[in-house]
Amino acid sequence: SQTIHQWPATLVQPVGSPLSLECTVEGTSNPNLYWYRQAAGRGLQLLFYSVGIGQISSEVPQNLSASRPQDRQFILSSKKLLLSDSGFYLCAWSARDYRLIDTQYFGPGTRLTVL
Amino acid sequence: TQLLEQSPQFLSIQEGENLTVYCNSSSVFSSLQWYRQEPGEGPVLLVTVVTGGEVKKLKRLTFQFGDARKDSSLHITAAQPGDTGLYLCAGIGNYKLTFGKGTLLTVNP
Repeated sequence: SQTIHQWPATLVQPVGSPLSLECTVEGTSNPNLYWYRQAAGRGLQLLFYSVGIGQISSEVPQNLSASRPQDRQFILSSKKLLLSDSGFYLCAWSARDYRLIDTQYFGPGTRLTVL
Repeated sequence: TQLLEQSPQFLSIQEGENLTVYCNSSSVFSSLQWYRQEPGEGPVLLVTVVTGGEVKKLKRLTFQFGDARKDSSLHITAAQPGDTGLYLCAGIGNYKLTFGKGTLLTVNP
């Protein structure tokens, strides 16, 4: 079965510090991978998605970046955090079923607080 | 940009009551999904609706996809405290989901 891991679970960082959040998927190959941010327990904002190693699409211009160094590893980074970067960060992978419909499976999330 | 509007944003009801939440868009989606999210966790898929007019039932939950595939509703019968959570609808596009802002449901015992 497939599993998705995110770490750390919680993080408190000062403004201007760097960031690295990691996401790994097990039990599947060549998944589509996604990073979302959720503010105040509300809707999800898609930040980045990747359809393969080294292929990153950015949805929202910001001071964040993403990388996919391995097939099942997705990393979210920042060189200098802003207060507005605080939020709940979710990683997801997707699988396409027999109807060619993508279903996304989410990780447990990382709660980031920037002070 | 495709947008999904969910209503109401917040809903607080007593155990045993029925409720309906809505998801509306000006755009047509090939299919639409509903997710439920508990505090501090990632969303979990409840259902995918594909055909206009489709109705799917999962125990006390009934999902409907509008005929024009622009809107959807979720009806819960005899709500229970365990139904408490954030209900998100998401329209499916090319590799991506477009999420609504969600309905935060609280079911009080």
